[in-house]
Amino acid sequence: SAVISQKPSRDICQRGTSLTIQCQVDSQVTMMFWYRQQPGQSLTLIATANQGSEATYESGFVIDKFPISRPNLTFSTLTVSNMSPEDSSIYLCSVEVVGTPNTGELFFGEGSRLTVL
Amino acid sequence: LAKTTQPISMDSYEGQEVNITCSHNNIATNDYITWYQQFPSQGPRFIIQGYKTKVTNEVASLFIPADRKSSTLSLPRVSLSDTAVYYCLPRNEQGGKLIFGQGTELSVKP
Repeated sequence: SAVISQKPSRDICQRGTSLTIQCQVDSQVTMMFWYRQQPGQSLTLIATANQGSEATYESGFVIDKFPISRPNLTFSTLTVSNMSPEDSSIYLCSVEVVGTPNTGELFFGEGSRLTVL
Repeated sequence: LAKTTQPISMDSYEGQEVNITCSHNNIATNDYITWYQQFPSQGPRFIIQGYKTKVTNEVASLFIPADRKSSTLSLPRVSLSDTAVYYCLPRNEQGGKLIFGQGTELSVKP
C-alpha cells in the first residue's frame, strides 16, 4: 500500500492567481498521475507526471495552465495557473506503487479541494 | 482504452446482494478489468481486478464471462457504508493510466 499526502487539502483563491498542489508518497512509485474531479462528476485525467522530464498531458489540458513537476520518484506538484471559477474542483494525485501485487491498482490521495472566487 | 458503460445509479437495501454490470465491448486482449469505490470527499479505492472467470476477495466478487465484453461486480449483503460510486475500468497489464467513466452511484437504504 501507499500513504499519499496532498497539500493543501483545501483552499479558496482569487481569480487570476495561481496555486501549487503538492503530492508526497511514502513508497517507491513507478507512475504518478494528476486528476481533476468537478462537483458531481467523474475523475478526469490531467496528465502523467514523468520523473525528470515534461509531463504527458491529456487532450484539453496544456502545460501553461497546469505545469507539473516531478523532481524525484516520490514527489510531484501540480500548479493551477491564472485561475478562474471554472477551475474550482478537487485535484487528486494518484500513484502506481512498486511491488503492488494487483496489476490494476492505483492509490489515490484524498484530494485538494480548490474554490476560485 | 476500451470505453465502458455502467448504470448511472442503483438502489438497494441493507443485507441484499448487489450486482453492478459493466459493458466493455472493445476491451483489449492484454487489459485487466479493475473496479474502484469512491466515497464522498475521498479518493477512489481499489476493490478488485480480474482477467477472466471469477475472482473473489474479502470485499467483493468479480465475474467476467469468456468473451470478456462485460463484467459484474457482486457485493454480498451490503450495508449503509457501501453507499458510494463504483467505477469499472480496464487497465493494461503493463500498467499505465486509468481513464474513468461515469461510474455507478449505489445508494443503500435501511
